[in-house]
Amino acid sequence: AQKVTQAQTEISVVEKEDVTLDCVYETRDTTYYLFWYKQPPSGELVFLIRRNSFDEQNEISGRYSWNFQKSTSSFNFTITASQVVDSAVYFCALRPSLRGGSEKLVFGKGTKLTVNP
Amino acid sequence: DADVTQTPRNRITKTGKRIMLECSQTKGHDRMYWYRQDPGLGLRLIYYSFDVKDINKGEISDGYSVSRQAQAKFSLSLESAIPNQTALYFCATARAGQLKETQYFGPGTRLLVL
Repeated sequence: AQKVTQAQTEISVVEKEDVTLDCVYETRDTTYYLFWYKQPPSGELVFLIRRNSFDEQNEISGRYSWNFQKSTSSFNFTITASQVVDSAVYFCALRPSLRGGSEKLVFGKGTKLTVNP
Repeated sequence: DADVTQTPRNRITKTGKRIMLECSQTKGHDRMYWYRQDPGLGLRLIYYSFDVKDINKGEISDGYSVSRQAQAKFSLSLESAIPNQTALYFCATARAGQLKETQYFGPGTRLLVL
């Protein structure tokens, strides 16, 4: 089965704190992709990052960093020095290889992050 | 201009009415998808299309139908709307052929069925 679990439903932090959003996935595929999307209060879904199953290098983009660990099936997302504008719902998603399938994304239920001033 | 547009952005309708949500894209992508988002449930796939002649049901297609009028247009219809179809609906597009291709989402349509 393909599944993504975001155990943290809501997180609240004070501005400038670091925060990590957890994502654990399940798949039997050896080839797959993982994604993070951000949904700000305005509602749109913004693509943040894509990672393939063969690349376990951590990635940093400004205040954002991602830690992919295949051994624990996790793809965690850290925001350093959080800002109010980071307040949003964050979704982790899995695209399994499933040849001939829909190529759909399997989404977690999302983590709502609130950054207070 | 946005690459993926959805109309309307908000819609209120009554039980039993037929409504259509439209999606257009200028990204030149072959693949198009309709998802719905319900609070606390993430996004679930309704229908997807790999090209104009290839339309497939997703995991929650009952009560919905779609039409791929052109490569750039993919419409979702609710034949007879019911209150539990109240949700946020997203259209997404992706390039064909490679698993790595990112899906890009439209701004969403908020639908309320009374």
